[in-house]
Amino acid sequence: IAGITQAPTSQILAAGRRMTLRCTQDMRHNAMYWYRQDLGLGLRLIHYSNTAGTTGKGEVPDGYSVSRANTDDFPLTLASAVPSQTSVYFCASSPLSGNTDTQYFGPGTRLTVL
Amino acid sequence: GQNIDQPTEMTATEGAIVQINCTYQTSGFNGLFWYQQHAGEAPTFLSYNVLDGLEEKGRFSSFLSRSKGYSYLLLKELQMKDSASYLCAAMDSNYQLIWGAGTKLIIKP
Repeated sequence: IAGITQAPTSQILAAGRRMTLRCTQDMRHNAMYWYRQDLGLGLRLIHYSNTAGTTGKGEVPDGYSVSRANTDDFPLTLASAVPSQTSVYFCASSPLSGNTDTQYFGPGTRLTVL
Repeated sequence: GQNIDQPTEMTATEGAIVQINCTYQTSGFNGLFWYQQHAGEAPTFLSYNVLDGLEEKGRFSSFLSRSKGYSYLLLKELQMKDSASYLCAAMDSNYQLIWGAGTKLIIKP
């Protein structure tokens, strides 16, 4: 593994179903993030984690939950999917050290909720 | 509130120069980032500015004016592969990135 991986690449899901999007990084970055990207809108932060064992809410956290049991993994769970959660989901990580905290992105998961 | 504004779409000719502008309003400021995103792919880091002035990196340069809440990305000697969306993002006082909607750059031969 080099960088950040996400799984699945794409998924079609029935409304009401539970879904977990997976994210793994091998850069030993402290911070990890989940964003959603919708046409015409900027990336919107769902949840973040500054270090293993801690998480925080972003701009659009409702309907989503996360956990950070270790440095490498940061899964995002939709407890009961709704059509408005149809989007492209990007996981990102950053060192969270120094003045330039650049975020690096995974390839994304395209989720369709019907 | 916090806000990032950038043009929705721009068109330029191969070999030419294009400037993509970005204005920002954030609670506190810890730097301005530019990312490139090709269709169907992830954003990739291009540049970071935290002090006023111009940062040059090959064909790409980025400028920041903190007093004006303004940045631009300058792309020189445009190539067809530069066709992409360019995302402007400002880091606020909580070190969270506030993202613009992106500028889709279309390069014509």
